[in-house]
Amino acid sequence: GNSVTQMEGPVTLSEEAFLTINCTYTATGYPSLFWYVQYPGEGLQLLLKATKADDKGSNKGFEATYRKETTSFHLEKGSVQVSDSAVYFCAARQGSSTLGRLYFGRGTQLTVWP
Amino acid sequence: NAGVTQTPKFQVLKTGQSMTLQCAQDMNHNSMYWYRQDPGMGLRLIYYSASEGTTDKGEVPNGYNVSRLNKREFSLRLESAAPSQTSVYFCASSTGTGVYGYTFGSGTRLTVV
Repeated sequence: GNSVTQMEGPVTLSEEAFLTINCTYTATGYPSLFWYVQYPGEGLQLLLKATKADDKGSNKGFEATYRKETTSFHLEKGSVQVSDSAVYFCAARQGSSTLGRLYFGRGTQLTVWP
Repeated sequence: NAGVTQTPKFQVLKTGQSMTLQCAQDMNHNSMYWYRQDPGMGLRLIYYSASEGTTDKGEVPNGYNVSRLNKREFSLRLESAAPSQTSVYFCASSTGTGVYGYTFGSGTRLTVV
């Protein structure tokens, strides 16, 4: 079946450090891939997405590349800020029909210290 | 602003009480979803509605019922609340095929004592 596995947290970094959060997926066919971010006390917001192999999604300095060969969609940012502290969720969705559900990873808590 | 609106934002219930969580979207989305979020468990799908007039169980449907009132509204009902239902509940909606993600509401924080 479909599933998403992402790096266990929590992740603690100093400001301006490099961030990587690993995400791999299991799915039939070629799903669309997403990263969502959840700030404290809020709902999930779409951070970036990629819909086909080798696509790169980017937003707010974050990037992730759809790697079909390794079934991965790792999130990266070159220099994190305190304001990036949040929970990050990787997700995958089948593209073949409107019934395609979004499958989430368990989330990775990121804390950035000044 | 267009989006998904959930009410209430906070609620405290006594064991055995009932309540309905409301969700409405104004983006003309076909599909709507209810999730619960618990520490260390990520998001778990309770029920979803792929289109108006249909509802289906997700991973953790026990103790809940849903109603897709119309295309805009999708409510979640707890008939007899239990402490295990203490959680943060999120409603989401989506349209089209898999290239689209979901739009989430801001959540309802429910405590059952």
